Amino acid sequence: GQQLNQSPQSMFIQEGEDVSMNCTSSSIFNTWLWYKQDPGEGPVLLIALYKAGELTSNGRLTAQFGITRKDSFLNISASIPSDVGIYFCAGLEYGNQFYFGTGTSLTVIP
Amino acid sequence: EAQVTQNPRYLITVTGKKLTVTCSQNMNHEYMSWYRQDPGLGLRQIYYSMNVEVTDKGDVPEGYKVSRKEKRNFPLILESPSPNQTSLYFCASSRGDFYEQYFGPGTRLTVT
Repeated sequence: GQQLNQSPQSMFIQEGEDVSMNCTSSSIFNTWLWYKQDPGEGPVLLIALYKAGELTSNGRLTAQFGITRKDSFLNISASIPSDVGIYFCAGLEYGNQFYFGTGTSLTVIP
Repeated sequence: EAQVTQNPRYLITVTGKKLTVTCSQNMNHEYMSWYRQDPGLGLRQIYYSMNVEVTDKGDVPEGYKVSRKEKRNFPLILESPSPNQTSLYFCASSRGDFYEQYFGPGTRLTVT
């Protein structure tokens, strides 16, 4: 099945630094979603994107829907310790089936 | 409180013993879905449902069944579990027009 390529796989950063991660696919998606998962919990939605080129912010988080419809980017500014977790991208093809990336594990060093 | 609930949260069972994992949402969402999460593979969609009595296969449906008799409930059925179905399972729901999925807390299943 479809697999989304998410990179980087893991990141170790100092508190206060900015973070960038991205997700690419071989197929066109009509919706991109970004989630964060804490240990032992279900993923929590961070940002939803519905139009190519769309740039959406949620506090210190900013995500973009790539204009080719085959990629998406997530940026976190001024990281803090509670940003630690695994970040997933998800894409929705026409037909209502979701595909998830393999995740980016973020560690923030105080 | 708006939420997706799953039961049980943890389950250890033996090969071949039928089991059901329940999922319920109180947000009147049309779309519901089941995922499994395995290390290095991320989340993979098993089945999804656009509304009552409408279900479709996701990426990895083999060995699973679902039903959607009521809008709020979407149980996942393993008729004859096998060890390769040992995984962390998540149920999720969303409105049918916006796919902002809300996830349940997860069910950790071990099949021996």
